[in-house]
Amino acid sequence: ETGVTQTPRHLVMGMTNKKSLKCEQHLGHNAMYWYKQSAKKPLELMFVYNFKEQTENNSVPSRFSPECPNSSHLFLHLHTLQPEDSALYLCASSSTGTERYNEQFFGPGTRLTVL
Amino acid sequence: GQNIDQPTEMTATEGAIVQINCTYQTSGFNGLFWYQQHAGEAPTFLSYNVLDGLEEKGRFSSFLSRSKGYSYLLLKELQMKDSASYLCAVLDSNYQLIWGAGTKLIIKP
Repeated sequence: ETGVTQTPRHLVMGMTNKKSLKCEQHLGHNAMYWYKQSAKKPLELMFVYNFKEQTENNSVPSRFSPECPNSSHLFLHLHTLQPEDSALYLCASSSTGTERYNEQFFGPGTRLTVL
Repeated sequence: GQNIDQPTEMTATEGAIVQINCTYQTSGFNGLFWYQQHAGEAPTFLSYNVLDGLEEKGRFSSFLSRSKGYSYLLLKELQMKDSASYLCAVLDSNYQLIWGAGTKLIIKP
């Protein structure tokens, strides 16, 4: 148990569907992250929230829309996705008060398949 | 650009020793992480190096040479449960993590 939970664990959706991924952290961290992990590629940072404010958006297509209502919860809203968006979506959290050591704690991920 | 290189896949025998290398070119350096990721699971933290040298933690050790932009993860007395992907990541000057693609380690009996 890592203290970071994600739901659902698996999701299959059509290109016209709208769905949301949820992440919750129970570690008292102030920063939360969305990553995309595709086979044999580095983790791709998508969004960063620090104290509920978005501090990073790595040129992610607008069909991905993040929401961070508080420091413990993070959502990723999905709409009109493409088959190439199929991947493992990982949520992570960290405490950024001490900049020297930014260990991130990951959730188990949502395996997304877009048909 | 920023780049992290590590081998795609390695194979080793149960009970043996394996060394997984990582080389990096980043804008600044504030530390290097190794994470372990079993198939279908979350990456979990293994080690953090910010100074040159070897850090030992049980069967796992991590080495860093900042002048060479090089690190390795050493796994001793390999067990079947060590079969996983090992991710190298560098914290750059903006304290952003730059990730390698990971090394898939296969352990054979």
